[in-house]
Amino acid sequence: DTGVSQNPRHKITKRGQNVTFRCDPISEHNRLYWYRQTLGQGPEFLTYFQNEAQLEKSRLLSDRFSAERPKGSFSTLEIQRTEQGDSAMYLCASSRGLREAFFGQGTRLTVV
Amino acid sequence: AQRVTQPEKLLSVFKGAPVELKCNYSYSGSPELFWYVQYSRQRLQLLLRHISRESIKGFTADLNNGETSFHLKKPFAQEEDSAMYYCALNMDTGRRALTFGSGTRLQVQP
Repeated sequence: DTGVSQNPRHKITKRGQNVTFRCDPISEHNRLYWYRQTLGQGPEFLTYFQNEAQLEKSRLLSDRFSAERPKGSFSTLEIQRTEQGDSAMYLCASSRGLREAFFGQGTRLTVV
Repeated sequence: AQRVTQPEKLLSVFKGAPVELKCNYSYSGSPELFWYVQYSRQRLQLLLRHISRESIKGFTADLNNGETSFHLKKPFAQEEDSAMYYCALNMDTGRRALTFGSGTRLQVQP
């Protein structure tokens, strides 16, 4: 599968722990997006990168959240001191410029 | 602020019946509208976009600026159309950060 790859697919963590997710975009896609999706809702935009530069962050992205994209390839999303409200599906998408964005299968986070 | 509303959480039709999935948006500028689809156990994928004015898998959608709607239509539903459908808006083509509706589940019964 040469699509957008996200790892892990599932993560269960205790409240207060830190978690990190990884997204590998489609090769040569310079844009990378993170979204969060809670039950019964559509995806909500969190942040996006053009190459290694983080160009925008949503107000949903609290100080406990940080995203990086070193060298403009894969990206990581870290959540510190997780809370139960962080439980959601975290989706990554990538695109070549303004062309169609392709989504990964997501990482499902459960905070217990 | 921009918003996308999909009023129906579930739409159930019989095979061969017409389908209309409703989408209304609020945005003061000139938005770009999309429909995304998620089949069972698959990832979210683009179905169509309004600027293309194309028909994909028999689906069409027309942007109505007056009514601020972008309803998805298909004249004859097929069982394989059963999926979750999301309407999405991009308010700034330079960003491509989409605002999604809450989705409508389409069930096509045999």
